[in-house]
Amino acid sequence: QLQLQESGPGLVKPSETLSLTCSVSGGSIINNDYYWGWIRQSPRKGLEWVASVQHTGYTFINPSLKGRVTMSVDTSKNKFSLSLTSVTDADTAIYFCASQFCTGSCYFDYWGQGAHFTVSS
Amino acid sequence: EIVLTQSPVTLSLSPGERATLSCRASQSVSSAYFAWYQQKPGRAPRVLIYGASTRATGIPARFSGSGSGTDFTLTINRLEPEDVAMYYCHHYVSSQGFTFGPGTKVTI
Repeated sequence: QLQLQESGPGLVKPSETLSLTCSVSGGSIINNDYYWGWIRQSPRKGLEWVASVQHTGYTFINPSLKGRVTMSVDTSKNKFSLSLTSVTDADTAIYFCASQFCTGSCYFDYWGQGAHFTVSS
Repeated sequence: EIVLTQSPVTLSLSPGERATLSCRASQSVSSAYFAWYQQKPGRAPRVLIYGASTRATGIPARFSGSGSGTDFTLTINRLEPEDVAMYYCHHYVSSQGFTFGPGTKVTI
């Protein structure tokens, strides 16, 4: 089964860019049935989907975050990444990466353990 | 924009009882893209139900989902201590992506 692991700095200063990477094992990121997504969780907003990317590079982003989010995928390393610019305190959250199965239905079936990121000067 | 509302906020029951959790969408949504997740403290969410009523792999039969349109229900029969968790409903629509409900906390 798929296993996902988040990595990245735990602390980012306001107005800087948050960069996260998710390593996928147990299966190939090149799979037309799957997208690869980021979901964050904070006490203020609960669970919030951030963005998803397919192995082709096709990306769709939460409309509330559009303009700040870039997604990329590295098929040679079986990884995908999130970049979130101009961060503020509102971006402090636990960030989960997850595999998104989208064939007939669409849901997140495998999740990373989550990584906590804080925005603070 | 579709908003998901869950009730009750907290549900406190005894072992062996039935838990009925509700999720209401602000407008009619496709059952095919409706799911339920369980999240235990310090853990990532886990999908329980997708397509409104299909149990995910490895999910016990005491979990069942139903509903359509704007009203969906997650039922947990014969509640067990390990079922203590937050439960979230979830929907996807192409115009806005994925939306999660605020959650229901189940305690025993």
